[in-house]
Amino acid sequence: GQNIDQPTEMTATEGAIVQINCTYQTSGFNGLFWYQQHAGEAPTFLSYNVLDGLEEKGRFSSFLSRSKGYSYLLLKELQMKDSASYLCAGRNSGGYQKVTFGTGTKLQVIP
Amino acid sequence: EAQVTQNPRYLITVTGKKLTVTCSQNMNHEYMSWYRQDPGLGLRQIYYSMNVEVTDKGDVPEGYKVSRKEKRNFPLILESPSPNQTSLYFCASSPETGVGGYTFGSGTRLTVV
Repeated sequence: GQNIDQPTEMTATEGAIVQINCTYQTSGFNGLFWYQQHAGEAPTFLSYNVLDGLEEKGRFSSFLSRSKGYSYLLLKELQMKDSASYLCAGRNSGGYQKVTFGTGTKLQVIP
Repeated sequence: EAQVTQNPRYLITVTGKKLTVTCSQNMNHEYMSWYRQDPGLGLRQIYYSMNVEVTDKGDVPEGYKVSRKEKRNFPLILESPSPNQTSLYFCASSPETGVGGYTFGSGTRLTVV
């Protein structure tokens, strides 16, 4: 499967902007997901990118560069409820539903 | 309400005693998948299914079995559980295109002693 790499932890201030990066191996790549997971809960879907560029959804945006094997999740106007783990996941072209997750980035939003 | 339902939520069992974790979705999704989540290792895919009677191995299939006899159900079977299968398990489903991402169940916390 994909080799997904993302930072383990990040801290940001309420009201600020934070960017969570994710890198992956480009061979066999066929799309990238971002999920949010609050402690003790199931992951919830945030975004899916398959083409290069930025996709915006309210306070959350996700960017993909296929040639560089790089994605980021941008969170604006941070709120305390955004404290969660953010999971980057890559879909393999060899198996349509073979999706590999990174270990997640635990984001702490502080006042 | 559109959802993925897993049962049980919590289970403590002994080594070697066969168990089944059930998963059911009411969204008519073609794709279903099982993941386990362990600290420091993230979510790892155990098995996935692209439709009825079509299943394939994920990254960590050893010690697990699945079946997809009906579109809505995708049970996970541990024939002879061992302590290294103690983990948090998630079932997930998505439509055929997969573009909308997975909908996850609430999780099953399994402890094998």
